[in-house]
Amino acid sequence: DIQMTQSPSSLSASVGDRVTISCRASQSISTFLNWYQQKPGKAPKLLIYAASSLQSGVPSRFSGSGSGTDFTLTISSLQPEDFATYFCQQSYSNLYTFGQGTKLEIK
Amino acid sequence: EVQLVESGGGLVKPGGSLRISCAASGFTLINAWMSWVRQAPGKGLEWVGHIKSKTDGGTTDYAAPVKGRFTISRDDSKNTLYLQMNSLKTEDTAVYYCTTVWTEIVVVVAYDAFDIWGQGTMVTVSS
Repeated sequence: DIQMTQSPSSLSASVGDRVTISCRASQSISTFLNWYQQKPGKAPKLLIYAASSLQSGVPSRFSGSGSGTDFTLTISSLQPEDFATYFCQQSYSNLYTFGQGTKLEIK
Repeated sequence: EVQLVESGGGLVKPGGSLRISCAASGFTLINAWMSWVRQAPGKGLEWVGHIKSKTDGGTTDYAAPVKGRFTISRDDSKNTLYLQMNSLKTEDTAVYYCTTVWTEIVVVVAYDAFDIWGQGTMVTVSS
């Protein structure tokens, strides 16, 4: 199976900050990488697919980049509603796998 | 409104069985690939398995920890997805989400992602 590793596991930031979250795959996955946001007690929400394509309705402050094994989710200017846990997920293999998550907390 | 609603979760003893359901409304499942994803308390997301649409063969794939114990099926006439869980273990305790596998074509390449999610149903395996 393809292993996905996110860093950091948790992150403290302030409203207005620029934040980056990293995701590394155990083998090359081209751009078959998705990002999700999950708030407590809620189902995950798709933010980014194909490494850099913004899902419809997602604010443009979210962006994704990368290819091969290294990927990044960037939030350009944190808003109060962005404090949540973020997961990456590979779809290169249809034995899909997720990263362990990055919890974004208010500083 | 497009939504998925899971049901059937509960408390079951180790070694027991449980079937959970996922009913779609506001859209038809007939052409959709569907997945189950679970989340143990305080932990991350884990893909459980998926089922293709009948037009794509209706075949299934499973994650290694559940292969041979869990079975995904669908009844398109009822617009419902199922997860039959047998030989349950304590480590199967989790919220189970159903989700659509959405495919988007980007520059001639097909990319999959989990698009529509249910609210989840809790399965607790404990003696």
